Amino acid sequence: QVQLQQSGPGLVKPSQTLSLTCAISGDSVSSNTAAWNWIRLSPSRGLEWLGRTLYRSKWYYDYAVSVKSRITISPDTSKNLFSLQLNSVTPEDTAVYYCARVGCTSTSCRYGLDVWGQGTTVTVSS
Amino acid sequence: DIQMTQSPSSLSTSVGDRVTITCRASQSISNYLNWYQQKPGKAPKLLIYAASSLQSGVPSRFSGSGSGTDFTLTISSLQPEDFATYYCQQSYTTPRTFGQGTKVETK
Repeated sequence: QVQLQQSGPGLVKPSQTLSLTCAISGDSVSSNTAAWNWIRLSPSRGLEWLGRTLYRSKWYYDYAVSVKSRITISPDTSKNLFSLQLNSVTPEDTAVYYCARVGCTSTSCRYGLDVWGQGTTVTVSS
Repeated sequence: DIQMTQSPSSLSTSVGDRVTITCRASQSISNYLNWYQQKPGKAPKLLIYAASSLQSGVPSRFSGSGSGTDFTLTISSLQPEDFATYYCQQSYTTPRTFGQGTKVETK
């Protein structure tokens, strides 16, 4: 079955870059029947969708407006993973970060997030 | 962005009770509405997709209904393992957005 394994540091200093990776097993980051997402959970914001990448003959990216100027989601086909980079972090970015998959049909990705990583608690503090 | 509003934000209930949680979208989202269950320290779990389709492996006591802007998640007979926080999420358009959550607690 599909599994997602997250890795990355749990502590980031203010103004620095948060970097997490999500390794995929049982599926492919370049599958044309999946989309690969990052979500975070914090007490102040609840669950917040951050963005996604998907491959449909070329790579597509969608980002939340709240982080659009600071976020990059990157696929790595050689390692079958995707990563999250969030620049210029502040304590407001302290949260549990999750990667997750949406299973798609050939024409729609409007389904639920059906496979999740285990979550990474990231604290932004000096 | 489409705003998702859940009610109630919390509810106290007992094993065996029927539980209903509502979710309202700020504009029509057709049936592109998903429900998740989250327990402390765990990732969210998909329960219902496309408003009323039960995700594989989810018990049949969970059901969803609605279309347009108003949606409902129903647990027909609450079990001990159902005490958790429940979230709705629209998948009609990006950015995907979640409701603020409903915490189901024991009375």
